[in-house]
Amino acid sequence: NAGVTQTPKFRVLKTGQSMTLLCAQDMNHEYMYWYRQDPGMGLRLIHYSVGEGTTAKGEVPDGYNVSRLKKQNFLLGLESAAPSQTSVYFCASSVDRGSGNTIYFGEGSWLTVV
Amino acid sequence: AQSVTQPDIHITVSEGASLELRCNYSYGATPYLFWYVQSPGQGLQLLLKYFSGDTLVQGIKGFEAEFKRSQSSFNLRKPSVHWSDAAEYFCAVGGWGDMRFGAGTRLTVKP
Repeated sequence: NAGVTQTPKFRVLKTGQSMTLLCAQDMNHEYMYWYRQDPGMGLRLIHYSVGEGTTAKGEVPDGYNVSRLKKQNFLLGLESAAPSQTSVYFCASSVDRGSGNTIYFGEGSWLTVV
Repeated sequence: AQSVTQPDIHITVSEGASLELRCNYSYGATPYLFWYVQSPGQGLQLLLKYFSGDTLVQGIKGFEAEFKRSQSSFNLRKPSVHWSDAAEYFCAVGGWGDMRFGAGTRLTVKP
């Protein structure tokens, strides 16, 4: 039961470096999401996708890009990392309308930008 | 856009006492509403959800929540709290693709 898998789990970046977080789900879900979690602010939606080849902006999209070339994968990119992007990142996916759009989460990726 | 407010940042209750965590939402249509729980260093686990029908929904671990459209609320309750319930709780609202979460309520359970 893999569910939603995120890689890497931990990463330290220098300011200005780039990196990509990979999310993979094996549940054939249509919808996928990237959230960031910061103390006192809960989870904030960065970008999401409602199907292969689609992406949309969430609440806090600036400084991030995403791609959904395959249905099972959703990539989050940081082109030029900034200390303000130090956070815990969660990927999630959800299935069709019939099940009420329950979201299933990965275990998180801890990113520190120094 | 939809939004969620959890007015209580931190709540402390004694073990065995009842619990109510508040959640208010803003949404333009009939919302899908959720409560999730997060233990330290972990991802989020679904406790319960509402998307139609009976406004009182039952979840796992003895939790329930009531949807009140007139008050735009979806409060989480538990009759008797256990020490293992200590965690952070998140309310969420959304439709398809754009799911928004509240800032969370941290629950501490006293012996």
